Amino acid sequence: QSVLTQSPSASGTPGQRVTISCSGSSSNIGSNYVYWYQQLPGTAPKLLIYRNNQRPSGVPDRFSGSKSGRSASLAISGLRSQDEADYYCATWDDSLSGPVFGGGTKLTVL
Amino acid sequence: QVQLQESGPGLVKPSQTLSLTCTVSGGSISSGGYYWGWIRQHPGKGLEWIGYIYYTGSTYYNPSLKSRVTMSVDTSKNQFSLKLSSVTAADTAIYYCARTLTYNLRDPFDIWGQGTMVTVSS
Repeated sequence: QSVLTQSPSASGTPGQRVTISCSGSSSNIGSNYVYWYQQLPGTAPKLLIYRNNQRPSGVPDRFSGSKSGRSASLAISGLRSQDEADYYCATWDDSLSGPVFGGGTKLTVL
Repeated sequence: QVQLQESGPGLVKPSQTLSLTCTVSGGSISSGGYYWGWIRQHPGKGLEWIGYIYYTGSTYYNPSLKSRVTMSVDTSKNQFSLKLSSVTAADTAIYYCARTLTYNLRDPFDIWGQGTMVTVSS
């Protein structure tokens, strides 16, 4: 059981915009930045979004993040087949004194 | 460009100690400014933070694993290591080493190793 809650799956067609959500509590998302990772099959997670809405160098602006209260979202616009992956949210948890992750959302591009 | 590579046995017997090493290239652990850590991913499951270490040897562990985890750093070899004692089948997972985004522990990992699969079985 993950500390952060994500829907197990999401889907979209090429060119579409999809949103993946992540919910937590006051001790994690509610009081800390949110991060998003993309994990392609058989590979390590890759940082997509840091500090709620910042993109590391090289990440396309099709990916955007937002946070409101105890929830956060990752939006992917202009969906492409290569976006098919697992997406994880992460944040610091004040109770754990460490980072926590969501259970992951498997994105399928139809 | 900093790169990380995990190494260690892929098979560990129950009750024994899992030992992994992460070798850092393209940058020096002793330069400071970042924490180094371990994360694991059970087959088909999500990610679980194991712990952090700084080049000075300061460590922070996940409370759920703290009694069994030891992390160490060898700056002369530009490596850091993980030991997990008294393993069971529940410790079967892909183990990743990684570097934090900044010196702030609240900024999690931005650079990851490729991961190494460890199976606990007799």
